[in-house]
Amino acid sequence: NAGVTQTPKFQVLKTGQSMTLQCAQDMNHNSMYWYRQDPGMGLRLIYYSASEGTTDKGEVPNGYNVSRLNKREFSLRLESAAPSQTSVYFCASRAYDRLLNTGELFFGEGSRLTVL
Amino acid sequence: DAKTTQPNSMESNEEEPVHLPCNHSTISGTDYIHWYRQLPSQGPEYVIHGLTSNVNNRMASLAIAEDRKSSTLILHRATLRDAAVYYCILHGSGNTGKLIFGQGTTLQVKP
Repeated sequence: NAGVTQTPKFQVLKTGQSMTLQCAQDMNHNSMYWYRQDPGMGLRLIYYSASEGTTDKGEVPNGYNVSRLNKREFSLRLESAAPSQTSVYFCASRAYDRLLNTGELFFGEGSRLTVL
Repeated sequence: DAKTTQPNSMESNEEEPVHLPCNHSTISGTDYIHWYRQLPSQGPEYVIHGLTSNVNNRMASLAIAEDRKSSTLILHRATLRDAAVYYCILHGSGNTGKLIFGQGTTLQVKP
């Protein structure tokens, strides 16, 4: 199994350009997440999708849009990239265990985005 | 959302035990305590979780205070490969999904 796959792994954009980060998971997980990590910082939640068909804002949603295309895929779009969005972006998925009321996150390898 | 507080950094010597603390004074009764770690240039990975009782697995142990306002991740014998950022986060009850990471603790392991 591939787990959580992110594309692209690296991208350089100019200010004002748009792009979409793709994320797919093959573990049949209900929940999916997008985080960003700036150099030397912790992870900050951008958006999440608790289940197919729903999306919600996280800590830092401004400047981003998301689409939960189906159960497997969760994309993150930058409509007009800004230098402040230079970061490493991580996608994650999680299975929710109703009996245990918990579930661990599985992360992708990250997408490194530079906005000039 | 309940928050966690961790020291920014800690040091350990190889082969010695490491105790990584986490404070979560506003934890609710149904919040699970989860620990993740992030090795250099990788995404975070799950380490361990617990609710009230202490937990052990092949990677680490989790000691939870009786009032649940703090917890400690214990690495019994640190190796150089354990050098990473360790995050303590709270999973709320149900599938609400909003999982917030703090700054984490950067663990340095000296040979």
